[in-house]
Amino acid sequence: DVKVTQSSRYLVKRTGEKVFLECVQDMDHENMFWYRQDPGLGLRLIYFSYDVKMKEKGDIPEGYSVSREKKERFSLILESASTNQTSMYLCASSPDYGYTFGSGTRLTVV
Amino acid sequence: RKEVEQDPGPFNVPEGATVAFNCTYSNSASQSFFWYRQDCRKEPKLLMSVYSSGNEDGRFTAQLNRASQYISLLIRDSKLSDSATYLCVVIPPGNMLTFGGGTRLMVKP
Repeated sequence: DVKVTQSSRYLVKRTGEKVFLECVQDMDHENMFWYRQDPGLGLRLIYFSYDVKMKEKGDIPEGYSVSREKKERFSLILESASTNQTSMYLCASSPDYGYTFGSGTRLTVV
Repeated sequence: RKEVEQDPGPFNVPEGATVAFNCTYSNSASQSFFWYRQDCRKEPKLLMSVYSSGNEDGRFTAQLNRASQYISLLIRDSKLSDSATYLCVVIPPGNMLTFGGGTRLMVKP
């Protein structure tokens, strides 16, 4: 089975901190994605990547950046965390449309 | 109007009941459709794809109505373990997976 691992299950950070969320997949997939999930808003795409060093903005990229230096690793960076970035963050990996999600990181910004 | 809309529920049904959810989408050129299941505090997992002719997987039946732009998920003989949030996913042409907000199902003994 494809495994998508997110480094932290729960994180609490202070406003203004730089935050790194790490995601690693073990199936050599080209496609990787970062979503955030909020009640009433569903899953919203932040950034995605089709290949190493390649990145594309999703629907809500403001306040975020990403890094993909190796195929298996896709990092989401909150340059200066704000309280409105408190959310569940989900990473996904896919060879096509059958996404496999990581277990999520619940980030609280205080 | 949201691209993909679902009734958030919750749908409260007794064990053994049949329950159906609908999901409407706005882009008539969308070609691919899926249902995902998400358990409380867990990640979404692919439940089934939705084919034009409709498809069945055990107690689950998925259907597509292109004319009215909706997909449906029917669950027969509901089990307690079916309690979850069901996410509708649509892929508009040239675009990424677009998720609905999810429909919460609670199956009671």
